[in-house]
Amino acid sequence: AQSVTQPDIHITVSEGASLELRCNYSYGATPYLFWYVQSPGQGLQLLLKYFSGDTLVQGIKGFEAEFKRSQSSFNLRKPSVHWSDAAEYFCAVGALTEDSNYQLIWGAGTKLIIKP
Amino acid sequence: DAGITQSPRYKITETGRQVTLMCHQTWSHSYMFWYRQDLGHGLRLIYYSAAADITDKGEVPDGYVVSRSKTENFPLTLESATRSQTSVYFCASSETSVVENEQYFGPGTRLTVT
Repeated sequence: AQSVTQPDIHITVSEGASLELRCNYSYGATPYLFWYVQSPGQGLQLLLKYFSGDTLVQGIKGFEAEFKRSQSSFNLRKPSVHWSDAAEYFCAVGALTEDSNYQLIWGAGTKLIIKP
Repeated sequence: DAGITQSPRYKITETGRQVTLMCHQTWSHSYMFWYRQDLGHGLRLIYYSAAADITDKGEVPDGYVVSRSKTENFPLTLESATRSQTSVYFCASSETSVVENEQYFGPGTRLTVT
């Protein structure tokens, strides 16, 4: 069965420090991979997505993610975090259903806390 | 206002009551979705719709009913609310398939069933 694992429920980093949020997926075919961010009290917003091609993808707000097929991972990175990056981050994989439609399978999320 | 809106933003109801959560989008997107968000589970798809009058079950449809008579509206009804349906509900829309286009999310409805 398709699944997405975000092993870290919470991560705390200092402002200005680098960030890496982990995401592992289980999916038999070529994955469509996404990272979304949810700011407090808000809906989710797409940060970046990977469909094919270059395995390092750039997103909004200075984020990037690297697809590693051998590790079934799609980790999100940012070289220097800002206090405004405090939010919850969700990884998702686009999976084909029995009726040939795609649905997003979501990880449980990682809450990012920024220390001043 | 352009975008995707949900109402109400907060709702408290009693067990057994019928509740309808509203979702409206102004982009004429074909696809619309209802998710519930619970701690430790991320988002789980309840129902989705590929177009007006076309709806399909997601991962957790039991206890919910949807309709889509107009492209812009996608209401979610809890026919007889239970405490296990206490959650945050998100509506989303997408121009086409979710693997081709971004999903745009509403601000959510926090529902408490007492």
